[in-house]
Amino acid sequence: AQSVAQPEDQVNVAEGNPLTVKCTYSVSGNPYLFWYVQYPNRGLQFLLKYITGDNLVKGSYGFEAEFNKSQTSFHLKKPSALVSDSALYFCAVRDSNDYKLSFGAGTTVTVRA
Amino acid sequence: DTGVSQDPRHKITKRGQNVTFRCDPISEHNRLYWYRQTLGQGPEFLTYFQNEAQLEKSRLLSDRFSAERPKGSFSTLEIQRTEQGDSAMYLCASSPTRGTGYNEQFFGPGTRLTVL
Repeated sequence: AQSVAQPEDQVNVAEGNPLTVKCTYSVSGNPYLFWYVQYPNRGLQFLLKYITGDNLVKGSYGFEAEFNKSQTSFHLKKPSALVSDSALYFCAVRDSNDYKLSFGAGTTVTVRA
Repeated sequence: DTGVSQDPRHKITKRGQNVTFRCDPISEHNRLYWYRQTLGQGPEFLTYFQNEAQLEKSRLLSDRFSAERPKGSFSTLEIQRTEQGDSAMYLCASSPTRGTGYNEQFFGPGTRLTVL
């Protein structure tokens, strides 16, 4: 079984401040971890992934995430948030031996000007 | 546009009617997935195909739901005798089996179903 928890329904930050969106996961085998972003009435847009290797992964639009195996976490970060980063963010996991993704419930990020 | 496409984008139907959605994956992507997303929730896995073979189905996929991928290219998802609880966004994704993007799933814009 695999699952994802995003403990915060909403994150509010001021433009220019650091942004962090939290994610913890549970998977029986080796985890493959992903972050997606969703804008209103749109599909999911891939941001970044962790498969293996360096625990700090960099993705699109200045986002990065750090894989922490001991804490089973994969938090999304951006050093300086933009108003245009306001969206719904999903963390997802799959077992390395499987193909289906399990998603968290999502975190709504609002960046105020 | 070479992304995943879905048709229709919106569908409003009356309870008890049948509906069918289509997904066209990215060219040469062997794997195709269907997910369902209800309001305030993350997407939930429904089923996936490798080429024309349906390899896994979620328990969410009741016997009113059927998915096909007859020639290993586009896929259809049919819901028979729709219920109000079927109202959701139905997302399709595809992925290659090798090369760039091998471990990623690329999502389409979704079909929003409203059952009255």
